[in-house]
Amino acid sequence: IAGITQAPTSQILAAGRRMTLRCTQDMRHNAMYWYRQDLGLGLRLIHYSNTAGTTGKGEVPDGYSVSRANTDDFPLTLASAVPSQTSVYFCASSTGANNEQFFGPGTRLTVL
Amino acid sequence: DQQVKQNSPSLSVQEGRISILNCDYTNSMFDYFLWYKKYPAEGPTFLISISSIKDKNEDGRFTVFLNKSAKHLSLHIVPSQPGDSAVYFCAAEAMDSNYQLIWGAGTKLIIKP
Repeated sequence: IAGITQAPTSQILAAGRRMTLRCTQDMRHNAMYWYRQDLGLGLRLIHYSNTAGTTGKGEVPDGYSVSRANTDDFPLTLASAVPSQTSVYFCASSTGANNEQFFGPGTRLTVL
Repeated sequence: DQQVKQNSPSLSVQEGRISILNCDYTNSMFDYFLWYKKYPAEGPTFLISISSIKDKNEDGRFTVFLNKSAKHLSLHIVPSQPGDSAVYFCAAEAMDSNYQLIWGAGTKLIIKP
C-alpha cells in the first residue's frame, strides 16, 4: 500500500538518551518534512528536505537533526532527548506542486 | 507571533446543518492556503485548497472562501455529517518559501446527531 510509514508508533525515553524516529515513503516524492504537534500550537516544522541529499531547518530545529541519503527515507534524530521534546511527531511528503502533503500516522514520544 | 490563527478551539454543529470553520492570517506574502482534516491517532489528510488568485473553491460538500483584504479564509461544510467530526487545520504557504507550510492550531469540529 502506497504511503508513509513511521516507526515506532510510540516511545517512552529517558532524558539524555539518543533516539531516531524513522520515516519511509514509497510515493517517490521529492520533498519530505518532519513536524511536531503540540496542544494549542498546531504543527510546527522541524526540518525539511526538498530532494535527496539536501535538508533545511524549519521553525523549531534545535535539538533535532535529519538526513536524506535517498528519496524514500528521512530519519529524525534527537541526539540527547529533553522533556520539552515530548510531543507527537509527524513525517510528511509531497511532490512540491501545490504543496499537498501526505502524512504518516505519527510517533508519540514521551521524554521523562 | 502566530501567522495563521484559528481562534475557535472547538465547534459543535447539528448533523445536516452547515459547519463554518474560520482562519485568519497576518502575512500578506501567503499565496496558497490549504485545509487538512485530522482524526485521532492518524496523520492529517488534505481536504481542499485555494490559491490567492481565487476567492472560492468548491469540492463536493466542502467550499473554501478567501477574503484577501481581510486576510481571512473559511471552510464551509454542508450538510455536516457525523464522519466530519475531526480536527481541522488551516495552513498557508508563502511565495518563495520552499513549499513550507505555516499551520494554525486547529479547530475541533463535533457533529451532533
